[in-house]
Amino acid sequence: EAGVTQSPTHLIKTRGQQATLRCSPISGHTSVYWYQQALGLGLQFLLWYDEGEERNRGNFPPRFSGRQFPNYSSELNVNALELEDSALYLCASSLSVGGWDNEQFFGPGTRLTVL
Amino acid sequence: DQQVKQNSPSLSVQEGRISILNCDYTNSMFDYFLWYKKYPAEGPTFLISISSIKDKNEDGRFTVFLNKSAKHLSLHIVPSQPGDSAVYFCAASGSTGSGNTGKLIFGQGTTLQVKP
Repeated sequence: EAGVTQSPTHLIKTRGQQATLRCSPISGHTSVYWYQQALGLGLQFLLWYDEGEERNRGNFPPRFSGRQFPNYSSELNVNALELEDSALYLCASSLSVGGWDNEQFFGPGTRLTVL
Repeated sequence: DQQVKQNSPSLSVQEGRISILNCDYTNSMFDYFLWYKKYPAEGPTFLISISSIKDKNEDGRFTVFLNKSAKHLSLHIVPSQPGDSAVYFCAASGSTGSGNTGKLIFGQGTTLQVKP
């Protein structure tokens, strides 16, 4: 069974540009989550999508946004890139929604570098 | 406000011995806890989890213990193997009055080195 996939693996942008990151969940999973891991920091929750809707977002500015498509894949968009947006962006998916057993399975990540 | 803390940045153990990784949390609303393992340039890999209604969960060489009164959990790896060398993250999940938040809150990680 294929795991969570993310593309691209690496992305280099300049300050002020927009970045689009993509994620395909494990087959059968309906929830997709996005996390940011900046250098020297832990994983920070960004967004949660389920059934095409944004269910929760972390403490990030509105220029971080995304969407979930009917096939449950997801896109993370970062507008007006700043140097501090350079980080590893991880996507995760899960089977259970609403339950307390929130086991999330992660993809390999997209390394975003903002110059 | 670090709600999940892993106070030991690193741990070194000998192959075959026990590795004990610790994690503390502050929010009593957390009701599910997970451990992940991460290699460089890869995403975290789910290892084992435990709900707040249990105090122990075991899966092969991995056992997680939860002490709710102390708001403390630990991961035991027995016996430790060189392939276990990685960064280990504990994470917590909680519900609000309106249901599952979907959010996992991670500790800062502990780098485990298992020496042959």
